[in-house]
Amino acid sequence: KQEVTQIPAALSVPEGENLVLNCSFTDSAIYNLQWFRQDPGKGLTSLLLIQSSQREQTSGRLNASLDKSSGRSTLYIAASQPGDSATYLCAALLPFGWATSGSRLTFGEGTQLTVNP
Amino acid sequence: EAGVAQSPRYKIIEKRQSVAFWCNPISGHATLYWYQQILGQGPKLLIQFQNNGVVDDSQLPKDRFSAERLKGVDSTLKIQPAKLEDSAVYLCASSHESRGEANVLTFGAGSRLTVL
Repeated sequence: KQEVTQIPAALSVPEGENLVLNCSFTDSAIYNLQWFRQDPGKGLTSLLLIQSSQREQTSGRLNASLDKSSGRSTLYIAASQPGDSATYLCAALLPFGWATSGSRLTFGEGTQLTVNP
Repeated sequence: EAGVAQSPRYKIIEKRQSVAFWCNPISGHATLYWYQQILGQGPKLLIQFQNNGVVDDSQLPKDRFSAERLKGVDSTLKIQPAKLEDSAVYLCASSHESRGEANVLTFGAGSRLTVL
């Protein structure tokens, strides 16, 4: 069974702190890994996408890494701000169906981040 | 390009009633996905279409859920009869490729269902 796990489930930090969110997956044959942000009652906003051939991606204060051999990805947020408060979801795109083409995007349960002013 | 369109955005029904959600993917995207997101959890794949054929429906509760994708474009997800535990956001996504690292999913805003 393909699984994606996120630790911690919830995190509360003071403003300005650097923080790391963790994501692990069970299948090293990953196509890509994506980090999403979800605000309460809203849809998914894609933050960073790391292809299997890449090791990291950066966007502003965000940096995501991918280590296929260990089945891990991290999302690093520098100098956190109250506006960063949201749920962060990682999702691994994994092959599905050995006889037919296909892939399945499997999500973790998310990390609920609160940045306190 | 236009995004993934979903409707309705919100729906409130009583248990045992039926409901249908509609999704219009990005033009040219061959693959369409329906996800269910229960409050406090990550999205769970319900069904995946490649054009108008089903690729994966292993996690779809087929006794009450059904989905179709006519002509390989729009898709409809139906729940009949609804149960309290079906209260969730139903997310539709589409992608251009079906396999490979170039595959990137674009999500719609979701349809929020409340079953009373």
